[in-house]
Amino acid sequence: GENVEQHPSTLSVQEGDSAVIKCTYSDSASNYFPWYKQELGKGPQLIIDIRSNVGEKKDQRIAVTLNKTAKHFSLHITETQPEDSAVYFCAAGKWKNYGQNFVFGPGTRLSVLP
Amino acid sequence: NAGVTQTPKFQVLKTGQSMTLQCAQDMNHEYMSWYRQDPGMGLRLIHYSVGAGITDQGEVPNGYNVSRSTTEDFPLRLLSAAPSQTSVYFCASSFSGGPKETQYFGPGTRLLVL
Repeated sequence: GENVEQHPSTLSVQEGDSAVIKCTYSDSASNYFPWYKQELGKGPQLIIDIRSNVGEKKDQRIAVTLNKTAKHFSLHITETQPEDSAVYFCAAGKWKNYGQNFVFGPGTRLSVLP
Repeated sequence: NAGVTQTPKFQVLKTGQSMTLQCAQDMNHEYMSWYRQDPGMGLRLIHYSVGAGITDQGEVPNGYNVSRSTTEDFPLRLLSAAPSQTSVYFCASSFSGGPKETQYFGPGTRLLVL
């Protein structure tokens, strides 16, 4: 089955700097890669996603890159702000008969220091 | 729209007790799922449903039962709670359950089994 690894487990950056979180996956059939942000005491919230036919996607300060050959994808946050502090999860998904089959990474705790 | 709601927010059980975690969504989503979140392990899929009357097992189904009698509700039942089921439980929903559909998560239920 699918296995998703995520690094680093914790990341501290100064406000205004960039943050990069990397994930690798094992199943080459996976074709959808979402990123979720989870704030303390809340459920995960989708912040950006990428399909397997796209190499990069941007949404304001957030970008995701995908390398299908190497089976890894990364989240890039530029000009970080204190409100970016949260736990970030990557996931790899594919269609399985019916229904989703997402496997999540273990998460990265990002701290943005003022 | 209230989105995805979960009750209770917090529950303490003794080993062997039973309980039902409630999940409801008002977005007319076909697909609903239950995850558990443990420290350092991300989210793991317990059970999912692609519509009323249809359920299937996820990655970690043992010890849990589900049913889907209506589109709106997807309760998760613990028949005989065990300390290993201490976790935070999240319910999620989406329109079709395909790999490209955004999942919306509820706020979570924190369960402690003594």
